[in-house]
Amino acid sequence: QKEVEQNSGPLSVPEGAIASLNCTYSDRGSQSFFWYRQYSGKSPELIMSIYSNGDKEDGRFTAQLNKASQYVSLLIRDSQPSDSATHLCAVNSLADGLTFGKGTHLIIQP
Amino acid sequence: EPEVTQTPSHQVTQMGQEVILRCVPISNHLYFYWYRQILGQKVEFLVSFYNNEISEKSEIFDDQFSVERPDGSNFTLKIRSTKLEDSAMYFCASTLPPADTQYFGPGTRLTVL
Repeated sequence: QKEVEQNSGPLSVPEGAIASLNCTYSDRGSQSFFWYRQYSGKSPELIMSIYSNGDKEDGRFTAQLNKASQYVSLLIRDSQPSDSATHLCAVNSLADGLTFGKGTHLIIQP
Repeated sequence: EPEVTQTPSHQVTQMGQEVILRCVPISNHLYFYWYRQILGQKVEFLVSFYNNEISEKSEIFDDQFSVERPDGSNFTLKIRSTKLEDSAMYFCASTLPPADTQYFGPGTRLTVL
């Protein structure tokens, strides 16, 4: 059974600060890792993907992957009020569906 | 920018009735998916579909569920006899191999009374 674990939060971060979100997964065969953002009542929106160990940066976002530790993280720099949402970690292989964590509720305090 | 669309946005039905949820994936995508999210819970995989057949399905996707691609654009999820516990948001997603990034539609909120 594939599992993805996230701290549900809420995680409260001042505007302009760095938000750090973490995720662990159980299936060592997982090959693709994603961070999605979900506003209340809306569908998941892709933030970024990562496939190789190390860091991947895209604008204010940096994803980090450590396959040996089965750990994925997302750093959000210069946090904005629009970042206030539930952030979902997801893992998959192509034919399989995504396995999602429950998400971390992030609150950016103005 | 191309996007996944879903209709209806909200469906209300009586327990025991059949419902069909519709999705139009991104036009050149080849893999299609259905997910559901019960209120307050995580997004759960139901089924993946490729080359006009089911690739994989979860334990949730039992005989009450079926999927179909009736034409070149639509992808449907049918629930034959709805139960109260089928009330959830249902999301359609699609992807184009070799990339595996899945793009989600806005969802259909299904309410079973």
